[in-house]
Amino acid sequence: DGGITQSPKYLFRKEGQNVTLSCEQNLNHDAMYWYRQDPGQGLRLIYYSQIVNDFQKGDIAEGYSVSREKKESFPLTVTSAQKNPTAFYLCASSVGDDEQFFGPGTRLTVL
Amino acid sequence: GQNIDQPTEMTATEGAIVQINCTYQTSGFNGLFWYQQHAGEAPTFLSYNVLDGLEEKGRFSSFLSRSKGYSYLLLKELQMKDSASYLCAVRDVGSQGNLIFGKGTKLSVKP
Repeated sequence: DGGITQSPKYLFRKEGQNVTLSCEQNLNHDAMYWYRQDPGQGLRLIYYSQIVNDFQKGDIAEGYSVSREKKESFPLTVTSAQKNPTAFYLCASSVGDDEQFFGPGTRLTVL
Repeated sequence: GQNIDQPTEMTATEGAIVQINCTYQTSGFNGLFWYQQHAGEAPTFLSYNVLDGLEEKGRFSSFLSRSKGYSYLLLKELQMKDSASYLCAVRDVGSQGNLIFGKGTKLSVKP
């Protein structure tokens, strides 16, 4: 079955720590995205990648970093520079401008 | 600027019909998507409109008027499992073609 997976489902981080969220897809999609979702707010774009070895900042990239070394993988690192990282993080992929398919999400909590 | 407006919450009765509205302002419209999101889960694609008119898909239909910057999602024969948030997202040419999401409409279906 093709799909998009994220791990872990829940993640707890101490202040000052970097953490990396995993996103893997076997849909053979070129484009991948990271969004952040906070209560009462719409999804906000953190980073996106249209092709392997290339990525661009979204609307709220500060305090985050990504890599796209393989077509299937687009990990997101939440650095200590992100002041308010507690949120629900969603990864998505698509074929060009077609609909985006979302992973199950990672809920990050800073202790 | 960019702005997507949806009602925050709606309540409807099982078996009834409900219409969820979305109005938008973008610098370069290039398509509108509707997603369904159950609490704590990934958004799933429902419909896509790029031309004016109605798109029907089973119990769900979506309408678009580009001149009015307006769309609605129509849900017929409501079921309890339709209780979820419904996200309106617009593809904006002015944002490198990325999706701009509304804050979502939380629909509660009562017996």
